[in-house]
Amino acid sequence: DTAVSQTPKYLVTQMGNDKSIKCEQNLGHDTMYWYKQDSKKFLKIMFSYNNKELIINETVPNRFSPKSPDKAHLNLHINSLELGDSAVYFCASSPRQGTGELFFGEGSRLTVL
Amino acid sequence: DAKTTQPPSMDCAEGRAANLPCNHSTISGNEYVYWYRQIHSQGPQYIIHGLKNNETNEMASLIITEDRKSSTLILPHATLRDTAVYYCIVRVDQAGTALIFGKGTTLSVSS
Repeated sequence: DTAVSQTPKYLVTQMGNDKSIKCEQNLGHDTMYWYKQDSKKFLKIMFSYNNKELIINETVPNRFSPKSPDKAHLNLHINSLELGDSAVYFCASSPRQGTGELFFGEGSRLTVL
Repeated sequence: DAKTTQPPSMDCAEGRAANLPCNHSTISGNEYVYWYRQIHSQGPQYIIHGLKNNETNEMASLIITEDRKSSTLILPHATLRDTAVYYCIVRVDQAGTALIFGKGTTLSVSS
């Protein structure tokens, strides 16, 4: 059983398109996150939700919109894709707010052409 | 910004102990030391964390100096599968606080 699963694993698309990445966790956790890892391998926090409520929103362009339909799901929608959006996006969850013990998914590699 | 300093790379022979150092000289009294690793093409994996005392689990041991300004992650018997980037992170366990990753140490285990 995959604890934190992301779909799709790979995504290749053209500039200007809109795409979504889905994340689901079956751990019963309350808090979920999106991280971005760029070509230089730096991992950066983008968003965090706790029980469907946004609690962390780093300086991310508003073309990125997270959506949490329930506490087991946190999806990432990206409008008007740009070349610089090419990266690996990781979803994670944690059992409660504030803990630094996160469980990460396997990542979704987005390539914008 | 990362509050830690780690060597960019280290090598270790298979079967030997891997000792990964981390400096965090500005750590505050309520900040924990967390260790994660990222094996190539996989998501980061939590290893261990501690506040003041040394900690051990099935994966590793964490040794924190008495002044808390540095720590060492010990993998007692490194295997090829331990080849990864290891991240040392200091943070307060507080709601709304993100886990901030630095550059980490690339550990290469060879036979």
